[in-house]
Amino acid sequence: GIQVEQSPPDLILQEGANSTLRCNFSDSVNNLQWFHQNPWGQLINLFYIPSGTKQNGRLSATTVATERYSLLYISSSQTTDSGVYFCAVERGNNRLAFGKGNQVVVIP
Amino acid sequence: DGGITQSPKYLFRKEGQNVTLSCEQNLNHDAMYWYRQDPGQGLRLIYYSQIVNDFQKGDIAEGYSVSREKKESFPLTVTSAQKNPTAFYLCASRRGTKETQYFGPGTRLLVL
Repeated sequence: GIQVEQSPPDLILQEGANSTLRCNFSDSVNNLQWFHQNPWGQLINLFYIPSGTKQNGRLSATTVATERYSLLYISSSQTTDSGVYFCAVERGNNRLAFGKGNQVVVIP
Repeated sequence: DGGITQSPKYLFRKEGQNVTLSCEQNLNHDAMYWYRQDPGQGLRLIYYSQIVNDFQKGDIAEGYSVSREKKESFPLTVTSAQKNPTAFYLCASRRGTKETQYFGPGTRLLVL
């Protein structure tokens, strides 16, 4: 099956700092989503982004489908940004494959 | 309110028991999914259903069973055949293919 690798696995940020999370995938995809899992376990949709660039407030994402990677940018980080960020991809079989996540801790 | 609900939030099971986790959605979504998450890991697909009365095995279906008798409901049964059931279970749904998946709050299962 398709492989999804996220880096870095762990990241500690000072509040106000910017960061970039990366998702590499092993095959062409027709769906890519970024999620944020909060400390209570809830997964929140951030972006549906099989290609191109999208922005939502302090977060933005870019997917370069031809090179098989996606980037999630966090600007001016806040403590509420802490949690695990997951990248998930789909290859047309109606099934999402998840990476292992980026654990982000923002310290005040 | 529209959304996905899962119950119970926490569930304790004795070895040898079957337990059923509930997942309900009022979003009128056709497709529903069950995932398992272990500590420090990503989500793994257990079962999914694209329409009522039809479902397919995911990557780790052994020891689990599901039913899809109604569009709104997709219960998951963890059977005694599942040797390591302690995990966080997440249910998701979406309207159709190439659409965003939305997740419920999850159920934490602990085997005593």
